[in-house]
Amino acid sequence: AQKVTQAQTEISVVEKEDVTLDCVYETRDTTYYLFWYKQPPSGELVFLIRRNSFDEQNEISGRYSWNFQKSTSSFNFTITASQVVDSAVYFCALSLNTGFQKLVFGTGTRLLVSP
Amino acid sequence: ETGVTQTPRHLVMGMTNKKSLKCEQHLGHNAMYWYKQSAKKPLELMFVYNFKEQTENNSVPSRFSPECPNSSHLFLHLHTLQPEDSALYLCASSQGSYRGSGSSYNEQFFGPGTRLTVL
Repeated sequence: AQKVTQAQTEISVVEKEDVTLDCVYETRDTTYYLFWYKQPPSGELVFLIRRNSFDEQNEISGRYSWNFQKSTSSFNFTITASQVVDSAVYFCALSLNTGFQKLVFGTGTRLLVSP
Repeated sequence: ETGVTQTPRHLVMGMTNKKSLKCEQHLGHNAMYWYKQSAKKPLELMFVYNFKEQTENNSVPSRFSPECPNSSHLFLHLHTLQPEDSALYLCASSQGSYRGSGSSYNEQFFGPGTRLTVL
């Protein structure tokens, strides 16, 4: 079975602080995809990144960076110099290579960035 | 309209009512999804339609009935719901997949959701 664990329920930081959101996943498959989505108060999930299981290179996109480590089954997300607009719920998700794109989500981490 | 839209955005209904949620995608996709987001629980996949064919029913109670008349529209018909069905219902769409298509993955785009309250 597949499972995604986001142990941090809520994180509060002050603007300009760096923050890391943890994600640990479980799967027996060798081919899979990992994702991060952002859910602002408006409700819709906004896609941030997709990684496949064969690509362990870390990625940086502006203030966002992702650290994928297969050895520890983790796919952590770091926001550098956080801003109030980063306040949202962030979801990590896993999908197998089934061809029908079933996403398994974690419970999400609520990030509160105060001025 | 662009992206994925959902109507209504908010719905309050009694347990004996019948209502429908609507999702429309303007992205030219062929796969559509219903998810349920309850408080403090992971998003749960409910149904998947791929090229108008239902490919997934994730043990959803029969009081939820999906309908996909074409690749751009997806409905969720509700009847005789329970208070525990109160949740945010999210629709998503993606490019469709063909069985045995290999290692491709098509990103899902989500709508804003319908906040459902069952009294």
